[in-house]
Amino acid sequence: EAAVTQSPRNKVAVTGGKVTLSCNQTNNHNNMYWYRQDTGHGLRLIHYSYGAGSTEKGDIPDGYKASRPSQENFSLILELATPSQTSVYFCASGAGGEDQDTQYFGPGTRLLVL
Amino acid sequence: GDSVTQTEGLVTVTEGLPVKLNCTYQTTYLTIAFFWYVQYLNEAPQVLLKSSTDNKRTEHQGFHATLHKSSSSFHLQKSSAQLSDSALYYCARDSNYQLIWGSGTKLIIKP
Repeated sequence: EAAVTQSPRNKVAVTGGKVTLSCNQTNNHNNMYWYRQDTGHGLRLIHYSYGAGSTEKGDIPDGYKASRPSQENFSLILELATPSQTSVYFCASGAGGEDQDTQYFGPGTRLLVL
Repeated sequence: GDSVTQTEGLVTVTEGLPVKLNCTYQTTYLTIAFFWYVQYLNEAPQVLLKSSTDNKRTEHQGFHATLHKSSSSFHLQKSSAQLSDSALYYCARDSNYQLIWGSGTKLIIKP
């Protein structure tokens, strides 16, 4: 099973500040994903990547940037954080393939924007 | 378009009784794989079941689900609920290297 870690696990930020959430996976998966989870909205895809150097927009990319500098690392960047971005953020990785693309999740980051 | 529908936001079941969580889908793809993920309180989602074979029962941790392409369904069932089954359950299907997620069903098992 993929090992996915996230840092920080908890973050308090100020409105207008820059926030970087980091994700690392050690199973050499090609695909990585960033989700946010809010009560009443389930899991929503923000950005994803097919491999080092690639980033793609998900369903709710506005206000977020992503960076995939290596196979192992995938970051989510909030350039100007807003209170509406207060949420729990999950990173996930998957090996890819034509079907059965199981995603393995990190433990999550709780972000509070004041 | 492609979508996954979980009709119940909250399901409450008495311990020892059967559980059924509904999942239906719409898809434009012929080859599809389906998943059930479970998320315990303050934890990450983790895969519970997966299947891509029509009419084949898949089981794990006492839960089972059967993909029925004729009715576009992949319902999750368990014959006897346990207190430890209380969690948030997501149905999902693959689509072009992503997963399309249902909105989730919170399952509460009461003594």
